Amino acid sequence: DGGITQSPKYLFRKEGQNVTLSCEQNLNHDAMYWYRQDPGQGLRLIYYSQIVNDFQKGDIAEGYSVSREKKESFPLTVTSAQKNPTAFYLCASTTDRDGRNTIYFGEGSWLTVV
Amino acid sequence: GDSVTQMEGPVTLSEEAFLTINCTYTATGYPSLFWYVQYPGEGLQLLLKATKADDKGSNKGFEATYRKETTSFHLEKGSVQVSDSAVYFCALSPGANSKLTFGKGITLSVRP
Repeated sequence: DGGITQSPKYLFRKEGQNVTLSCEQNLNHDAMYWYRQDPGQGLRLIYYSQIVNDFQKGDIAEGYSVSREKKESFPLTVTSAQKNPTAFYLCASTTDRDGRNTIYFGEGSWLTVV
Repeated sequence: GDSVTQMEGPVTLSEEAFLTINCTYTATGYPSLFWYVQYPGEGLQLLLKATKADDKGSNKGFEATYRKETTSFHLEKGSVQVSDSAVYFCALSPGANSKLTFGKGITLSVRP
């Protein structure tokens, strides 16, 4: 089945560590996105990529980094510079195959700082 | 820039009550509009969408009509169930592979 796979589902990070969240899609979508979700704040865009080897900062990019070396992969690194990383992280991708954007989401990854 | 405004929550209803969740948007051109649902501990799932003015999206008894004249995409359901308890997000997409914009989401709780 086609879809978006995020891993790990749960991740614990010690202070000062970098961690990487994986996002893989086999939908042949060009655009991919990372969102952060905190209680009561909805979804906030961290980074997005519209094409391989290119990406742009979203609204809250500080303390995060991404890469887009392959069309199907868009990993997110939460660096030690991110002071409050505990949150639910969602990866998404989009296609215009049906004429207008359709957005697909992964199941999300919970990151907790311990 | 583009924006999506959802009504303030949370919303608590009794089973079989009528549901309306308001959503208005600001965007240039003709965006696609979406409603997503998030059940506890899970990612977002597409509930319904509309791609042009006057289109009605529908799924699982939920409906929303793309109203360009009022820039709205209100979500409705005639009779809610306990299983509809979730967080609902309104969203827009201005075009192909464009940055997505979400509302803040609203929590719906349905009592038996």
